Amino acid sequence: DTGVSQNPRHKITKRGQNVTFRCDPISEHNRLYWYRQTLGQGPEFLTYFQNEAQLEKSRLLSDRFSAERPKGSFSTLEIQRTEQGDSAMYLCASSSDGNTEAFFGQGTRLTVV
Amino acid sequence: GQSLEQPSEVTAVEGAIVQINCTYQTSGFYGLSWYQQHDGGAPTFLSYNALDGLEETGRFSSFLSRSDSYGYLLLQELQMKDSASYFCAYRDDKIIFGKGTRLHILP
Repeated sequence: DTGVSQNPRHKITKRGQNVTFRCDPISEHNRLYWYRQTLGQGPEFLTYFQNEAQLEKSRLLSDRFSAERPKGSFSTLEIQRTEQGDSAMYLCASSSDGNTEAFFGQGTRLTVV
Repeated sequence: GQSLEQPSEVTAVEGAIVQINCTYQTSGFYGLSWYQQHDGGAPTFLSYNALDGLEETGRFSSFLSRSDSYGYLLLQELQMKDSASYFCAYRDDKIIFGKGTRLHILP
């Protein structure tokens, strides 16, 4: 297994446009997490899935953000009507039930201009 | 509420020992993890404590006191490559991270 894969690695978009990111977790992992990280800060929890079920979404997360994991494998994170404040690194991680370790992808760096 | 507190920066000398403290507040708690992140890299798992006490993994050790809602990461025989940010994180189904401690190592 090649680990957690995220695409694209970089995305530059104009304010107001929609963007979608993809995460392919480690194949046997049933848990998938999305985080946002800005410079000098820790990963901020956005949402997580157990298989295809989205179990929790951060209360701080705008309605412009939505995530799916339709078949319990890969996941997508969509941001609608992007704002400059959405500029950040978006990290995906996966783990399996009973495993305390989460494995992170290299992230997608979003720049909104 | 849910929160983790850790120092924003710590400086130590190569070859020395450094301790990074973490206090947490949460209604649900399974255990405390530590992650390392180098500049431009992804966070990588270092250790996990579910029970009180010390867990040792090579040069790194992690401690947890559930009654004090406190833990620490101990790094021994510091090397320049240990310069990174270190995050404590707790699990309550999801994983919540602290803001991180930037470790600077002086030669």
